[in-house]
Amino acid sequence: QSVLTQPPSASGTPGQRVTISCSGSSSNIGSNSVNWYQQLPGTAPKLLIYINSQRPSGVPDRFSGSKSGTSASLAISGLQSEDEADYYCAAWDDSLNGRYVFGTGTKVTVL
Amino acid sequence: QVQLVQSGAEVKKPGASVKVSCKASGYMFTSYGISWVRQAPGQGLEWMGWISGYKGNTKYAQRFQGRVTMTTDTSTSTTYMELRSLRSDDTAVYYCARGDDYGDHVEAFDIWGHGTMVTVSS
Repeated sequence: QSVLTQPPSASGTPGQRVTISCSGSSSNIGSNSVNWYQQLPGTAPKLLIYINSQRPSGVPDRFSGSKSGTSASLAISGLQSEDEADYYCAAWDDSLNGRYVFGTGTKVTVL
Repeated sequence: QVQLVQSGAEVKKPGASVKVSCKASGYMFTSYGISWVRQAPGQGLEWMGWISGYKGNTKYAQRFQGRVTMTTDTSTSTTYMELRSLRSDDTAVYYCARGDDYGDHVEAFDIWGHGTMVTVSS
């Protein structure tokens, strides 16, 4: 029942640039900040991007985020094998008395 | 270092309750809130609710209202999540995650627990 829509998969060869989209609505992305999480296989999610485009300390600058209207995107430049993971966008949603919603998730494969 | 340590795996029968703990260390517990997020096998992430580490006020996702209770013990910097009337589709990994305490909404989660597997099976 995710309200944020992502493509199920994305792929690229090492060194390439990969972009993941996240489509929402006026009640979530349109009015609140977007965050991105990376989940490596068998591990807990890790914060990758917050407030649309900010990187926490320790996150490589290969990762960048942007937001426009009711959509957001995550770009991975200089793709590396260790970037193979699931990626989720997320935002606060003002509907249904308020809730935090995650995207459907995108599996990134490094070819 | 800053970390959240969760309790161990649980196996419960349908209709039972489960209570998962999340112990914080390395930061001022009352300056942040804790959210609970679950992930069913092979599925995506689902936010269940949030509790303030300062005031203990809560906000639950509508679909869990009446079935979930989140509490804190500031003396031990521990947060608890109890889920009642368990069903087979509650089988999931349950994560606690730290976020800034905005009082009425949540933003990014910068620290996550390692997860607690809860299996509901007869």
